[in-house]
Formats: sequence, structure tokens, C-alpha cells
Amino acid sequence: AQSVTQLGSHVSVSEGALVLLRCNYSSSVPPYLFWYVQYPNQGLQLLLKYTTGATLVKGINGFEAEFKKSETSFHLTKPSAHMSDAAEYFCAVKPMNRDDKIIFGKGTRLHILP
Amino acid sequence: DVKVTQSSRYLVKRTGEKVFLECVQDMDHENMFWYRQDPGLGLRLIYFSYDVKMKEKGDIPEGYSVSREKKERFSLILESASTNQTSMYLCASSGLAGVGDTQYFGPGTRLTVL
Repeated sequence: AQSVTQLGSHVSVSEGALVLLRCNYSSSVPPYLFWYVQYPNQGLQLLLKYTTGATLVKGINGFEAEFKKSETSFHLTKPSAHMSDAAEYFCAVKPMNRDDKIIFGKGTRLHILP
Repeated sequence: DVKVTQSSRYLVKRTGEKVFLECVQDMDHENMFWYRQDPGLGLRLIYFSYDVKMKEKGDIPEGYSVSREKKERFSLILESASTNQTSMYLCASSGLAGVGDTQYFGPGTRLTVL
């Protein structure tokens, strides 16, 4: 069975500091991996996704994530936080088969301190 | 751009009422999903559909039903609303199951049951 664990339901960083949001997954088959962002009172928006190939994936708004199979991790980073990055972030895993059910983590709310 | 629209952003209903939440997507997607989102619990899948007139139970289908009479429209029905169904409801769609198909989300409907 697939599962996703996001470490820390709330993370605070100072404006300009490194953003690191952690995601670990378990999957019985090779996974597709996603990061979604949800701004207040909005739906989820795709930040980036890993399917195959290069393990470092670049997304929108300066975010990137690295797939590390040996660590079963897909952590999200951004070199310099901006106030507009304040949002909730969801990591998700989908098995590489026809089953289209994505499993979401419980989310990490990112707070940006001035 | 993919667009997923939901009929209401905010809805207030009374206990026992029958509630319809409508979702429409404009990208000819085969797959559609209904989630509910609660603080600390992340997204939980209620129902999904791979094709017109098809439906599959998700993780928490109790108290809900769905209807998909047309490819672009997926309705969530609360037969008799209860206070524990107060939540944010998110609709999503995705294309043919394939290489890491992305789910596209609507803006959500915040339902309050009094």
C-alpha cells in the first residue's frame, strides 16, 4: 500500500531563508510523486511532479524537489522564501499503474516571517 | 488551461437537507474525483469516476453519493446532510491514466451544515 508522510504540520521560515519541506513515501511499485500548493481559500495547484528520468525536478515559483529512491524521499526546497510562498503544501504519491488514485500527505502549512 | 469549476464557493445548509455539489471540467478528462479536506486530515477521497455513468467508492463514501451523466460533470450528493459533513469539498479531474497524470482541482466549496 502507498502512503505519504510529511514531517511537520507547520513550518516557519524567515523571508529570504531556505525553505525545506519534507516528504517521505512508501510504495510497493515505482511511484509518481507530486507537490501541490494551496493558497488560502483556493483549490490545489500543481507545483511540480516526478515521473521518470532526472531526479531533480524544477517547478513553478522557484521550487524544486529531488527524488531519492534510497531514502524514499521527495523533499521540496526553495533557496529564498518570499512572503507570497505562505500557503499549505501537499506531497502526493501515485503508483505507476492504471490505478489513478493519488495518495496525499496531510499537508504542511508554511509560514513566512518578515 | 484546464479549468475545473465548482458551483458554489460557500454553502450553508441545515441538517437533513439534500445537498448537491456540482463540478464541471472543460478538458474532456476521463477521470473525476471528489475529496473532502479537513484540518489535520489532509485530503480524503470520497468517490471517483473513470467514465460516464461509472463510479467507484473512495476511502470515505458513507453519507455521500455521486452522479456522472455527462463526461464533463460530476456531482456529489449528500442525501441527508449532517453537521459532521461540514467541510471543504474539492473536485478534481485528470486525463487518461498514463504517465503520472496530474489532477487538476477546482477552487473548492466550503459547506457548513447547521
